[in-house]
Amino acid sequence: AQSVTQLDSQVPVFEEAPVELRCNYSSSVSVYLFWYVQYPNQGLQLLLKYLSGSTLVKGINGFEAEFNKSQTSFHLRKPSVHISDTAEYFCAVSDRYGQNFVFGPGTRLSVLP
Amino acid sequence: EPEVTQTPSHQVTQMGQEVILRCVPISNHLYFYWYRQILGQKVEFLVSFYNNEISEKSEIFDDQFSVERPDGSNFTLKIRSTKLEDSAMYFCASSEAGIGTEAFFGQGTRLTVV
Repeated sequence: AQSVTQLDSQVPVFEEAPVELRCNYSSSVSVYLFWYVQYPNQGLQLLLKYLSGSTLVKGINGFEAEFNKSQTSFHLRKPSVHISDTAEYFCAVSDRYGQNFVFGPGTRLSVLP
Repeated sequence: EPEVTQTPSHQVTQMGQEVILRCVPISNHLYFYWYRQILGQKVEFLVSFYNNEISEKSEIFDDQFSVERPDGSNFTLKIRSTKLEDSAMYFCASSEAGIGTEAFFGQGTRLTVV
């Protein structure tokens, strides 16, 4: 069975500062990793995904994430955040057949002026 | 761009009533999912559906819940007798399946049980 941990439930950060949202996973099989964003009162939107190859993945809105197999982590980063990045961020894993997505509990990013 | 659509966007129902939440997945997708998000909490997996049958379900998905693909386009979630604790945002998702495909989510239906 797979599981996802997001260590920080809330992350406040000032505008234009860098941010890292942490994600760790556990699985007995190969997994694929995703970050989704949920803006207030909206659905889930894919930010980026890791399937294979380069461990540094770039996504939309200037976000990137790095897959670290030895540490079973997939942390999300952005070098300079904007007010509009305020949202809930969910890390997720799926098995290699894409049949089951397991979400982490989410991290609420609040960007302060 | 193709998208997953859900109707209604908001449903209010009385406790004990049956509700049906509707979803139109992306047309060439093969796997369909329902997730639930109680206000302020994590997104929880309910059920996945493939080839006209349930492929996996969580502990939340008890006998009160059922899913159906009544025709070639719709995918429905039925709650037979709603409880107050069923109040949540329900998300439908679909994926092409196969290696590394992501799930595409609808905008959700907010169910309020009163």
